[in-house]
Amino acid sequence: EVQLVESGGGLVQAGRSLKLSCTASGFTFSHYTISWFRQAPGKGLEWVGFVGRTGDGGTTKYAASVKGRFTISRDDSKSIAYLQVSTLKTEDTAVYYCTRDPSGTYAYGMDVWGQGTTVIVSS
Amino acid sequence: DIQMTQSPSSLSASVGDRVTISCRASQSISSYLNWFQQIPGKAPKALIYGASSLQNGVPSRFSGSESGTDFSLIIDSLQPEDFATYYCQQSYTSPTTFGQGTKLEIK
Repeated sequence: EVQLVESGGGLVQAGRSLKLSCTASGFTFSHYTISWFRQAPGKGLEWVGFVGRTGDGGTTKYAASVKGRFTISRDDSKSIAYLQVSTLKTEDTAVYYCTRDPSGTYAYGMDVWGQGTTVIVSS
Repeated sequence: DIQMTQSPSSLSASVGDRVTISCRASQSISSYLNWFQQIPGKAPKALIYGASSLQNGVPSRFSGSESGTDFSLIIDSLQPEDFATYYCQQSYTSPTTFGQGTKLEIK
């Protein structure tokens, strides 16, 4: 079964850090760009960033709201992508989802989503 | 950034109805428009990419259309499992952006 499973969320104080994981199974992980999206409570979907295929250089790109604080990486040998979230703010409170995308541009949509992991940032 | 505006924000309909959800882009995005369905408490599910192509496994009662910068998601013969929130997403340029969502409720 094609699957993405996020983990690592939790309750954390503002200013601290957390590392989220996205573990893939059922497909060739290295063939896909992995993206992170988030959804604040009661709000819509927001793009966080992505890490491209290692074979294409593993390019990363981030939303302006998280650039400099969040870092996305991948380990193809383990089929895991990571989202390191640092200098957390209360407005980073959200469910964080990872997705896969074969094109690197979302032209074919993100056809597989994880179940999400919740990050709550307290002041 | 490209703004995506969905209408209506919420919609009440009955099982068996045909509904249309609209999404307008603030500038041309060609056909780089995706649709997602989200049931409360669950992850989004991909429905349509490229404005009108169905993702694998999506029922044929879902369809998408476009006219310039206006896009539509049409659901024929609503089923109980279709009551959810729907989001459009432009994939034309970075950053990718979403509409604010349309909540489809049972009448």
